[in-house]
Amino acid sequence: ETGVTQTPRHLVMGMTNKKSLKCEQHLGHNAMYWYKQSAKKPLELMFVYNFKEQTENNSVPSRFSPECPNSSHLFLHLHTLQPEDSALYLCASSLGLAGTYEQFFGPGTRLTVL
Amino acid sequence: GQQLNQSPQSMFIQEGEDVSMNCTSSSIFNTWLWYKQDPGEGPVLLIALYKAGELTSNGRLTAQFGITRKDSFLNISASIPSDVGIYFCAGRNNDMRFGAGTRLTVKP
Repeated sequence: ETGVTQTPRHLVMGMTNKKSLKCEQHLGHNAMYWYKQSAKKPLELMFVYNFKEQTENNSVPSRFSPECPNSSHLFLHLHTLQPEDSALYLCASSLGLAGTYEQFFGPGTRLTVL
Repeated sequence: GQQLNQSPQSMFIQEGEDVSMNCTSSSIFNTWLWYKQDPGEGPVLLIALYKAGELTSNGRLTAQFGITRKDSFLNISASIPSDVGIYFCAGRNNDMRFGAGTRLTVKP
């Protein structure tokens, strides 16, 4: 595997379900990000991790819970989501923080909340 | 603030035509980047611009970093069907800000 991979690619869940999104980067990067992409809106940065430490949380509701066990893996744990949380969730990584280094994106997980 | 205004929102063009899209902001950025997102995929970096006035090409793509550092444009020459997708601009200082995207449709 190369680049940034995300699983699953598609997820349909009910509002009472608990699920997790997984991201893995094979680029030797140190920073990882979660973005939410809704139709016709700019990418919304959710969380930033640098060397496994969370450096940014952009006022994301607590029903989204990130986890970064090491610099190569990033998870987004989901519970009691709302229909408006349906979107494409993109993971990205960069060598260092995005102020200096280019971000490389995964293919995303298309999430539908019923 | 650092919001980016990207236009047009969508374009429908004939194969072979040239395309132009731009991003403007009320804030200054140190770097401008252009990404393309194919259907069902994540954004892929096309061109990065690091200096005001810089003009950079990547094949049929040309992008410029505005002199004021508050804008950038992307041109695609002689469009082909595989140019279809969403093009995003991004401005970078300590973090990245993205435009809402330009959805390009190319009719054969």
